[in-house]
Amino acid sequence: SQTIHQWPATLVQPVGSPLSLECTVEGTSNPNLYWYRQAAGRGLQLLFYSVGIGQISSEVPQNLSASRPQDRQFILSSKKLLLSDSGFYLCAWTYRQGTSPLHFGNGTRLTVT
Amino acid sequence: KQEVTQIPAALSVPEGENLVLNCSFTDSAIYNLQWFRQDPGKGLTSLLLIQSSQREQTSGRLNASLDKSSGRSTLYIAASQPGDSATYLCAVLRDDKIIFGKGTRLHILP
Repeated sequence: SQTIHQWPATLVQPVGSPLSLECTVEGTSNPNLYWYRQAAGRGLQLLFYSVGIGQISSEVPQNLSASRPQDRQFILSSKKLLLSDSGFYLCAWTYRQGTSPLHFGNGTRLTVT
Repeated sequence: KQEVTQIPAALSVPEGENLVLNCSFTDSAIYNLQWFRQDPGKGLTSLLLIQSSQREQTSGRLNASLDKSSGRSTLYIAASQPGDSATYLCAVLRDDKIIFGKGTRLHILP
């Protein structure tokens, strides 16, 4: 069976520090991978998605970047965090967008102080 | 432009009652519709996926229906329990994008 792992679960970082959140999927190959941010009262915001190694699409211009160095690994990064980067970050995967179900990790609660 | 709406934003129901959560979408050109549950501080857990060719899907006490022509999906929860308290989100799945509603926060009163 397929599983998705996301870490860390919580993170407190000062303004201006770097960020690296990691997500890995097991039990499947060539998944579509997604990074979402969820802010209170604002719903899910798609940040990045990837259909393959090295292929990243950005939905919203921001202080963040994403990379996919391996087939089942998706990394969310920032060189310098802003206060506005605080939020709940969720990684997700699907085998084929639109026709296969979407599965989420447990999320990372990021607080920028 | 596809929009997904979930009304009401919050709902409180006494334990044991049957209830219906609503999800509406503006563009009927969808592939599938998926219902999720989210507990506070947790990720989204997939509940049911309804393919565009189907009218409903069932899992235990949950039944989800889909009416593409009217742009509506409902999630029916039978014999509600306090453990059903969570936020329920629906998502319209297309090959070009996935669009989420903002969810209905459900509270089951013991």
